[in-house]
Amino acid sequence: EADIYQTPRYLVIGTGKKITLECSQTMGHDKMYWYQQDPGMELHLIHYSYGVNSTEKGDLSSESTVSRIRTEHFPLTLESARPSHTSQYLCASSESRTGANVLTFGAGSRLTVL
Amino acid sequence: AQTVTQSQPEMSVQEAETVTLSCTYDTSENNYYLFWYKQPPSRQMILVIRQEAYKQQNATENRFSVNFQKAAKSFSLKISDSQLGDTAMYFCAFMKPTPGDALNFGKGTSLLVTP
Repeated sequence: EADIYQTPRYLVIGTGKKITLECSQTMGHDKMYWYQQDPGMELHLIHYSYGVNSTEKGDLSSESTVSRIRTEHFPLTLESARPSHTSQYLCASSESRTGANVLTFGAGSRLTVL
Repeated sequence: AQTVTQSQPEMSVQEAETVTLSCTYDTSENNYYLFWYKQPPSRQMILVIRQEAYKQQNATENRFSVNFQKAAKSFSLKISDSQLGDTAMYFCAFMKPTPGDALNFGKGTSLLVTP
């Protein structure tokens, strides 16, 4: 059962619009991640966070930005969406204390920019 | 950077049969974790099985088991008694213990289980 929630699940918007993809987890996990997944392709890490006020860029360069003001919340923002941003965005979280290193994923947000 | 290679883009298997999905990886690390994740159509990614590199014993979870060959950098997934609900994309993933503990994914294998 999902304890990590992403909204919206689907979004179709026009070029130039500002969008925010929401991600919230109720597990108290300290680490959170954003992955980008194109159809039939692997997931690429675009942002991650070790905890509150910590954000880092991932392996894949992205024009999006993230913030981590609260432990449970890790939103992703695109200031001016373009067709090249069309993709699926997956949020995930993990807990470092137990050393389990297992990521829990949200259901994803599928973005289409026209 | 670590690379994960899944050489089988698509596979199919009949219900109740056994199928093996292959995965190889490249790393200079000695300590790391390997995972298989499953992504059913239009549903969220879930963990199938996890292996710690320092453990020689292959991980097993019910019908799912792995063949971990550290020297060969190979990590295959065997699904026994395949069920229709096993139809999904399967991703092999690699993780260093630190920093960030982020997963590096392969391109995935699309598995279709047929009646």
